[in-house]
Amino acid sequence: QQQVKQSPQSLIVQKGGISIINCAYENTAFDYFPWYQQFPGKGPALLIAIRPDVSEKKEGRFTISFNKSAKQFSLHIMDSQPGDSATYFCAARAWDSNYQLIWGAGTKLIIKP
Amino acid sequence: NAGVTQTPKFRILKIGQSMTLQCAQDMNHNYMYWYRQDPGMGLKLIYYSVGAGITDKGEVPNGYNVSRSTTEDFPLRLELAAPSQTSVYFCASSYAKQGQETQYFGPGTRLLVL
Repeated sequence: QQQVKQSPQSLIVQKGGISIINCAYENTAFDYFPWYQQFPGKGPALLIAIRPDVSEKKEGRFTISFNKSAKQFSLHIMDSQPGDSATYFCAARAWDSNYQLIWGAGTKLIIKP
Repeated sequence: NAGVTQTPKFRILKIGQSMTLQCAQDMNHNYMYWYRQDPGMGLKLIYYSVGAGITDKGEVPNGYNVSRSTTEDFPLRLELAAPSQTSVYFCASSYAKQGQETQYFGPGTRLLVL
């Protein structure tokens, strides 16, 4: 019940296309859903985050869609660029978890020029 | 601000050796975390701390120890290194306040146990 299932494991998208990464969870106590971006040789960095009181959050080309009833959330990258090539992690935090994040397994995204 | 710093960047250990991975943050964050990341895998929480003098186990604590004597520093100790501890180790820190709970990560320490 503490898991966050992320798919796909890897994704290749043409430049200018839309990249979509999905995550699913079971724990209804989760109340914070961030996405982190990690470039090779670097630590992860927060990209965008959402709380369950909204269904969508957009920051530039990055959008989180959140479906509370289905317990799913996804990251959409519009007009994908080669510089977006990285590993993306979804995560979730329960309100009673001492701020611990439960991480998805990651998606390696490659944007082909 | 330097953010979260980690030393060393890379280390090779022999089986049975011990070492300490250093982590420091200058953002006055009360929460600090240690993760390990195995190739192609997500992040596994080893230990975390909610403030100086307070630490708790995460998902994979066996073979590791931590201490937190100051707000800034959170070293991770490996005793009796084993090949299974070959990994990349990340330290992170955050506030414990809704709306400011972003975890900031260090650059990582790559550890190879042979």
